[in-house]
Order: sequence, then structure tokens, then C-alpha cells
Amino acid sequence: QKEVEQDPGPLSVPEGAIVSLNCTYSNSAFQYFMWYRQYSRKGPELLMYTYSSGNKEDGRFTAQVDKSSKYISLFIRDSQPSDSATYLCASDFNNAGNMLTFGGGTRLMVKP
Amino acid sequence: DAGVIQSPRHEVTEMGQEVTLRCKPISGHDYLFWYRQTMMRGLELLIYFNNNVPIDDSGMPEDRFSAKMPNASFSTLKIQPSEPRDSAVYFCASSLEMRTPLHFGNGTRLTVT
Repeated sequence: QKEVEQDPGPLSVPEGAIVSLNCTYSNSAFQYFMWYRQYSRKGPELLMYTYSSGNKEDGRFTAQVDKSSKYISLFIRDSQPSDSATYLCASDFNNAGNMLTFGGGTRLMVKP
Repeated sequence: DAGVIQSPRHEVTEMGQEVTLRCKPISGHDYLFWYRQTMMRGLELLIYFNNNVPIDDSGMPEDRFSAKMPNASFSTLKIQPSEPRDSAVYFCASSLEMRTPLHFGNGTRLTVT
């Protein structure tokens, strides 16, 4: 079993929809949680970064961590065709810095 | 800033050949990482460097893989001999410090026939 799991999708939604992307993780030592966005034939880019449990909002994006259930979510409001990409969640130990463990990614398609 | 620069963008080679992938990190970044991405295994860390010194190479799959960082602005990942199962997208990433975001290059798509 991988330490960070994601449904690979693809997830197809109409423009303007609210998107929910989810990850589960198995290692309770993970403290840092990130979402990376990867466009086709590009490298991943950091979208959101959270520490421990709770919510973090940035514009149309909200990241949510529930450590009790080991569940990570990314919500996208008013989704746009430009949001079409693969979204990778990643987790890190408290003292391991950039030794990220990535999920396999969920491919999102937002149709105009 | 030009970001992390990788070359070549695409590499097609025959089994048994030597392959060298190149990376130029963002200037001033002390950490450099090599990742491999496949459909089956996702994004996996192969090795990372701090100030040009390899710190953890536990992700390097076999002795056929080697990585060097001769100076702060250049790193190579070499596969010798290459095998079809090495086909993947190889990403280089750099970061300013240990707990700062990774900046990825656009990858090298390697196909070994």
C-alpha cells in the first residue's frame, strides 16, 4: 500500500462547478501537507501548503486536513477550464524537510 | 528567474545505451532533487543534494543509476546501461532551504526501446 493514495480520475466537471479532490495517507507521523498542480508536459508547481489539521484558503482554493481520519482535501470554487490539470497531494514528516511523499495524482478536466 | 532548466526535453534511446540527463537549478538554491514519474508508481524521489553533496540516494533504483553535482549550477543523472523499464519522466527540482517549496523543471521524457 502506498503511503499517500489518490483516485487517479479523470474527474470531469462543467465550468463553474465546485471541485473536491481527496487524498488519504497512512503514516500518522506526517505533519505537513501540500497540493501541487501539474499541467500536461510540465513540472509540478506548489499550490497550497498546510501544517497539521485545519483549513487554509487562497482565493478559489481551500485545503483541508483531517488528521484524525488521515484525509486531505482540496476544494476549488468556480472552477475554470484553466484549472484542468493533474493535482498531486504530498505529505512530509515534521523533521524531514523536503522529503515529500507524493500521491499518484488526480486528473481534473473542467469543460467550458 | 528562468526556473529550473532540464535538458534534453525528450530522449529516445536503445536498450543498453548510456543516458545522461542534465539539470540547472535556480541560482542560490542549496537543495537539488531528482524525481522519476511513471503512471504506475507516481512521483518518486531518487536522490537529493545539499550544497552539491549527495545526502540521500536511497531512492536510486539500481547501480545502473548515478547522479553527480560538480558545482552549484549543474547536476547530471546518468543511467548506464539503460533498460526499457527506465522509461519515465525524470524531474529535477531545487529549493532554497530544507523547508521551502520545491521548484520543478519541466522534466525529461525518457523512452528506452
